[in-house]
Amino acid sequence: KAGVTQTPRYLIKTRGQQVTLSCSPISGHRSVSWYQQTPGQGLQFLFEYFSETQRNKGNFPGRFSGRQFSNSRSEMNVSTLELGDSALYLCASTTTGHNSDTQYFGPGTRLTVL
Amino acid sequence: GIQVEQSPPDLILQEGANSTLRCNFSDSVNNLQWFHQNPWGQLINLFYIPSGTKQNGRLSATTVATERYSLLYISSSQTTDSGVYFCAVEGDNFNKFYFGSGTKLNVKP
Repeated sequence: KAGVTQTPRYLIKTRGQQVTLSCSPISGHRSVSWYQQTPGQGLQFLFEYFSETQRNKGNFPGRFSGRQFSNSRSEMNVSTLELGDSALYLCASTTTGHNSDTQYFGPGTRLTVL
Repeated sequence: GIQVEQSPPDLILQEGANSTLRCNFSDSVNNLQWFHQNPWGQLINLFYIPSGTKQNGRLSATTVATERYSLLYISSSQTTDSGVYFCAVEGDNFNKFYFGSGTKLNVKP
């Protein structure tokens, strides 16, 4: 069974631009979560989607948004990029999204904002 | 949110040595997982362990939920064990995990 895939793996943008990252969960998984990892703040929860509905959201500004499609693939968008948005963005998928599930992470998208 | 503290922040071991990593959390949790992040950033799930003890080869973990801590044991460490180990906990919100700051392990040959 294929793992969680994320595209692109690396991205360089300039301040003010917007970016869209994609995450394809493991086949059969319906829950997708997104995390931002930076050296200063560590791993921080962005949001979680289950069956195309956002169930949870972290403490990030409205510039960060996401969505999930009917095939469970998810995208996250960051508008008006700032230097501080440079980070490794990780997505994770689980089967039902219940709290007994194991999370499986993708390899991440490394975003650099210049 | 739930506070998660991991110790030690850094650990240097000689190959073959044993180690214990600790994770303290501030509230009751429904889910606790240990992850290993390799140098390329990939997070690999090691254990799903909201309570009790589990073993997988040279690794084992114990969570004492009533005392709000979890331990990860690494025995006979190998250089491939190097990386950062994270503890992540989930409270009442589905799949909203709070991560500790990690323990960076360096195993030297």
